[in-house]
Amino acid sequence: EPEVTQTPSHQVTQMGQEVILRCVPISNHLYFYWYRQILGQKVEFLVSFYNNEISEKSEIFDDQFSVERPDGSNFTLKIRSTKLEDSAMYFCASDGGQGPYGYTFGSGTRLTVV
Amino acid sequence: KNEVEQSPQNLTAQEGEFITINCSYSVGISALHWLQQHPGGGIVSLFMLSSGKKKHGRLIATINIQEKHSSLHITASHPRDSAVYICAVTSYMDSNYQLIWGAGTKLIIKP
Repeated sequence: EPEVTQTPSHQVTQMGQEVILRCVPISNHLYFYWYRQILGQKVEFLVSFYNNEISEKSEIFDDQFSVERPDGSNFTLKIRSTKLEDSAMYFCASDGGQGPYGYTFGSGTRLTVV
Repeated sequence: KNEVEQSPQNLTAQEGEFITINCSYSVGISALHWLQQHPGGGIVSLFMLSSGKKKHGRLIATINIQEKHSSLHITASHPRDSAVYICAVTSYMDSNYQLIWGAGTKLIIKP
């Protein structure tokens, strides 16, 4: 069964450093998403991406964050100048249609900012 | 008020018990999702439904569109079912489909 792959599974970084979280969505999917979940809290939407551009972003997704699809397969989330409060589980998801056709989630990257 | 409410927040049961987790929502939806999050954190999609009932193994999901309510049932529960179960809805807002998440129900099944 097709999978969404995320790397790394766990990353520890110093406060102020930049991190790049990587995702390989399902190849024929069109819509890509990043979500995050701070420990003990509910999952929050960060950004959606379609046709090589951001289609929607939340208030959380400020100038510190950016997304790219650099080579047509990878989908990356970059966090510049990380803060302690960026520590969370970050999930990538993709879907093959306009939302209702089902999401496939990656297994997540646990980011710890120290 | 949260747009997606789940109950209970926490549920502990004995192995073999029939489990019900409820989800109510207040927005118009195109689909409702039940997802499972294991202690390691990974999220797995269990069901996506827009009407009626779906069954997969020991899991059953139902939805009542008129009442804006869905239930996830687990029959013959087993300790390996211990996880957080999350209800999420796909809603069309601001010219986009958005996935709105519930807070999750933490389920512990004791042997």
